[in-house]
Amino acid sequence: GAGVSQSPRYKVAKRGQDVALRCDPISGHVSLFWYQQALGQGPEFLTYFQNEAQLDKSGLPSDRFFAERPEGSVSTLKIQRTQQEDSAVYLCASSLGAGMNTEAFFGQGTRLTVV
Amino acid sequence: EDQVTQSPEALRLQEGESSSLNCSYTVSGLRGLFWYRQDPGKGPEFLFTLYSAGEEKEKERLKATLTKKESFLHITAPKPEDSATYLCAVQGSGAGSYQLTFGKGTKLSVIP
Repeated sequence: GAGVSQSPRYKVAKRGQDVALRCDPISGHVSLFWYQQALGQGPEFLTYFQNEAQLDKSGLPSDRFFAERPEGSVSTLKIQRTQQEDSAVYLCASSLGAGMNTEAFFGQGTRLTVV
Repeated sequence: EDQVTQSPEALRLQEGESSSLNCSYTVSGLRGLFWYRQDPGKGPEFLFTLYSAGEEKEKERLKATLTKKESFLHITAPKPEDSATYLCAVQGSGAGSYQLTFGKGTKLSVIP
C-alpha cells in the first residue's frame, strides 16, 4: 500500500477485555514505532522495532502491553485486561532507515475506548 | 529526560496574517528536531527535520529554524487549509535514543 495502514480504526472494549491492534508499515521499511496519544496531548513513545528485533520497549506503560513484529513487517500491539486509562489513539509509524533520523510516516491510528 | 514545550497552545490568525510558533526544548545531545502537522482524526504528517543550530528549511508557506534552545515555525500569509495542530519533537542521543519526545502541539486556526 501507499502508506501505513492501521486496523481497526476504532475499537470499543469492555474493561478487562484483551485487544489487538494491527499495523501494516510501508513495504521495505526497516523501522517501526508505536506511540500512544491521549486527547489534547502529543504522541508518547511506546516501543521500537528494527526489522523483527524489538530494540526499545521502555515506553510500554505496564506488563499488560505487549508488541511483536515476528517477520519484520506487520506488527501487533496487544493490551491485556484493558483499563479505562488505556483509552487513547494508538499510532504506528515506519521509516526506511534505522532509528528515527529519516522521515517517518504515521498511520491514521486506532482509537481505543475502554468502557 | 528530554522535554519539549510548545507555545502558544492555540493561535487564531486571519488569512494572510503571518506569525510564528515556538518550540523550546531540552535534550541530551540533539540528533534531530522534527516538525509535524496533524489534522483531526489523522496521524501526524512529517514536515521538516533540523539537525543543527542555524539550520533553516522551507516548504511552501512554512519555514522552520533552529537554535540551541528552540525552534520556530514561521507561517507566511497563511491560508485556511493551513489550519491544523503543529507538533514539535526531538530525538536525543542519550538513553532511549530511538524515540521522539513530542510537545503538546499548537492548534492553528486560519480564518478566511
